[in-house]
Amino acid sequence: DAGVIQSPRHEVTEMGQEVTLRCKPISGHNSLFWYRQTMMRGLELLIYFNNNVPIDDSGMPEDRFSAKMPNASFSTLKIQPSEPRDSAVYFCASSLGQPGLNYGYTFGSGTRLTVV
Amino acid sequence: SQKIEQNSEALNIQEGKTATLTCNYTNYSPAYLQWYRQDPGRGPVFLLLIRENEKEKRKERLKVTFDTTLKQSLFHITASQPADSATYLCALEENYGQNFVFGPGTRLSVLP
Repeated sequence: DAGVIQSPRHEVTEMGQEVTLRCKPISGHNSLFWYRQTMMRGLELLIYFNNNVPIDDSGMPEDRFSAKMPNASFSTLKIQPSEPRDSAVYFCASSLGQPGLNYGYTFGSGTRLTVV
Repeated sequence: SQKIEQNSEALNIQEGKTATLTCNYTNYSPAYLQWYRQDPGRGPVFLLLIRENEKEKRKERLKVTFDTTLKQSLFHITASQPADSATYLCALEENYGQNFVFGPGTRLSVLP
């Protein structure tokens, strides 16, 4: 298995533009998580899905952020409009069953977003 | 919500020594606690999970302890090697295991 695949690896965009981050979880994993990592705040959970259904989006900073999981093999995180304070590394992770019972999360390599 | 502290931002040790990293939390004791390793430019990689009823878990040169009375987990790397240099994060379960909240991490440097 190729692991959790995120694209793009790097994204530089101008303030006000729409940004879409993509994630392909590991086949067979039924939970998917979006995290954001910054030096100041560390790893923060934004939203997670179980069997393609959003379970908890309380970590989504504001209405400018939205996430979808149209099927078991694809998820997107969209920021519209983007702002400089959104600059961070965004990670997608997936897990099988109740996360962490034995195997923990499998993270992707992340998307480094820079908003100028 | 849970507040998690990990010992100093950075820890330097000599090759061959045992590295000990701490993870302290303030609120409820989680049912599970995990440790991850993160290398620069990469996502975290799962290392070990320990349950609240387990005092200790081992995997090769790694050992994790979990003390719910002290609200603390210790992560040990014995016979440390320069290749062990990385940031190590602890993660505590929330919402009955539905998700995990991560600590800020400790950057470990093993000097040859």
